Amino acid sequence: ETGVTQTPRHLVMGMTNKKSLKCEQHLGHNAMYWYKQSAKKPLELMFVYNFKEQTENNSVPSRFSPECPNSSHLFLHLHTLQPEDSALYLCASSQDYREETQYFGPGTRLLVL
Amino acid sequence: AQKITQTQPGMFVQEKEAVTLDCTYDTSDPSYGLFWYKQPSSGEMIFLIYQGSYDQQNATEGRYSLNFQKARKSANLVISASQLGDSAMYFCAMREGNTGNQFYFGTGTSLTVIP
Repeated sequence: ETGVTQTPRHLVMGMTNKKSLKCEQHLGHNAMYWYKQSAKKPLELMFVYNFKEQTENNSVPSRFSPECPNSSHLFLHLHTLQPEDSALYLCASSQDYREETQYFGPGTRLLVL
Repeated sequence: AQKITQTQPGMFVQEKEAVTLDCTYDTSDPSYGLFWYKQPSSGEMIFLIYQGSYDQQNATEGRYSLNFQKARKSANLVISASQLGDSAMYFCAMREGNTGNQFYFGTGTSLTVIP
């Protein structure tokens, strides 16, 4: 099993839909992250979880709702998204939130119509 | 001000040649870490190399080396003996302070290796 997996890899949704992105890490790490990557913009850190506790929410709109049931799983629940939310959503993990290196999953490419 | 600046949106290099990808950073924190990631068209971010702000020597990992010039606040990535599989987007990133909360990425450089 590869280090960090994400499902689905591609998602198309309407603005009224509710969907969830899933991330799972098999590295025994304690910290997990959600990033948003839009075209021609730097990656934006959205949420940080350390030992299942949210430690950071970088002014992310409430239409994005994270959930971390355990150190290995991280979800991003999506509802009433906007077309500008279309992007690549990357999950990452690290040993803990002070650890230098984060390991990324392959991302979910989201298109909001 | 941008925390990470990558001024080369696109670069080309001949196969087997070396190439340098530029990165400058901005921080007043004495403790920071610098990273380079590779992102192929598949989307996955692949960690390449790390340099800590207190490290005395430049980091090296196989064909990758990081040219760390602290006074100039630059952390250029050097790829030696380029291979076709090196064609990808390359991102410079910085962890500021001691938490993963302050993690910044540049806009990336698209590298194309020409056979």
